[in-house]
Amino acid sequence: GIQVEQSPPDLILQEGANSTLRCNFSDSVNNLQWFHQNPWGQLINLFYIPSGTKQNGRLSATTVATERYSLLYISSSQTTDSGVYFCAVGGRGSTLGRLYFGRGTQLTVWP
Amino acid sequence: ETGVTQTPRHLVMGMTNKKSLKCEQHLGHNAMYWYKQSAKKPLELMFVYSLEERVENNSVPSRFSPECPNSSHLFLHLHTLQPEDSALYLCASSHRGSSYEQYFGPGTRLTVT
Repeated sequence: GIQVEQSPPDLILQEGANSTLRCNFSDSVNNLQWFHQNPWGQLINLFYIPSGTKQNGRLSATTVATERYSLLYISSSQTTDSGVYFCAVGGRGSTLGRLYFGRGTQLTVWP
Repeated sequence: ETGVTQTPRHLVMGMTNKKSLKCEQHLGHNAMYWYKQSAKKPLELMFVYSLEERVENNSVPSRFSPECPNSSHLFLHLHTLQPEDSALYLCASSHRGSSYEQYFGPGTRLTVT
């Protein structure tokens, strides 16, 4: 399967700060998703971004498929941004879009 | 109901019990997935169903038995589980033949005593 590495594993910020989360993957992908897992375990879709750049409010993401990495940017952090952020990828040979997950980045935002 | 729903949200069962987890998707998708999230381990795929046919069984023990009666519903039948099976079980769905962007349900937190 595809190896997915996320960094940093833990990130602690003051409210208002900006941050960058990184996802490296080991093979070509045709699916890359960023999720936010809330304290109750729900995975919230942030971005579907196998390549290119997208923005949604204070969040943006960039995937450079040829170099096998993706970045998630969070600007002006809020306490509600706290939680675990997962990167997940699907390869061209993957069965019906199965996703391989990284171990996540645990983000804590203090007021 | 919208999106992907799962019931129950919490389940405590003994090792000799039989229980079932239910997932329903309201997105018009035709592929459904079961994932397992254990403490300190990445999410791992258990099963994939497409058009009610199981297309992948990711080396899951037989005490987990999936069922997909139609494209909107997915079940995970549990029997004689072990304490190490305690985990968050997540269901997801996507549209086969499209982007395969997956949407997840809220999960069932299972504790085996």
